[in-house]
Amino acid sequence: EAQVTQNPRYLITVTGKKLTVTCSQNMNHEYMSWYRQDPGLGLRQIYYSMNVEVTDKGDVPEGYKVSRKEKRNFPLILESPSPNQTSLYFCASSLTGGRDEKLFFGSGTQLSVL
Amino acid sequence: QKEVEQNSGPLSVPEGAIASLNCTYSDRGSQSFFWYRQYSGKSPELIMFIYSNGDKEDGRFTAQLNKASQYVSLLIRDSQPSDSATYLCAVNAPSGSARQLTFGSGTQLTVLP
Repeated sequence: EAQVTQNPRYLITVTGKKLTVTCSQNMNHEYMSWYRQDPGLGLRQIYYSMNVEVTDKGDVPEGYKVSRKEKRNFPLILESPSPNQTSLYFCASSLTGGRDEKLFFGSGTQLSVL
Repeated sequence: QKEVEQNSGPLSVPEGAIASLNCTYSDRGSQSFFWYRQYSGKSPELIMFIYSNGDKEDGRFTAQLNKASQYVSLLIRDSQPSDSATYLCAVNAPSGSARQLTFGSGTQLTVLP
């Protein structure tokens, strides 16, 4: 089944404790992206990647890191989480990142930073 | 700063009625327009896209685009309780990249049995 898999689904952590949210897609997509979703603010892009070893900042990159060493994986790293990073996070992918392509979303990671 | 505005709702309609969801955008150069549906606790899924002025129909869903007014809407005919969800409008600039996709904050729709 074609899908984007995120883990974990729920995560509670404390301020300053490094964490990684994994994202993997099995559709051979070139484009992958991370979003955070907060009430009243919609989905905001954190980082995106057009292909292996090619990553770039989105609209809200502060406090986050990403890497794209393999085509299928695009982990999101919070090296020193803070409470303002409490949010619902989605990984998404599309075939080439073209303007008109459908985005496939993972099931989401609800992160709480205490 | 590109903006996509939606009425957050909640919008309630009775079963069988037409639900009308509206979205305005600020970037006059926007070229592609999408409607994603998001059930509570789930991820967004694409239900419609439209590029040209006018109407586009797909089953019970109709997307309407008016570029002159910078307005895009989604009509859901014969609304069902299963249509209860948050509907996200997304707009893309003419840059040619999915990176430029901007989402609205969504309209919460409730269809009452």
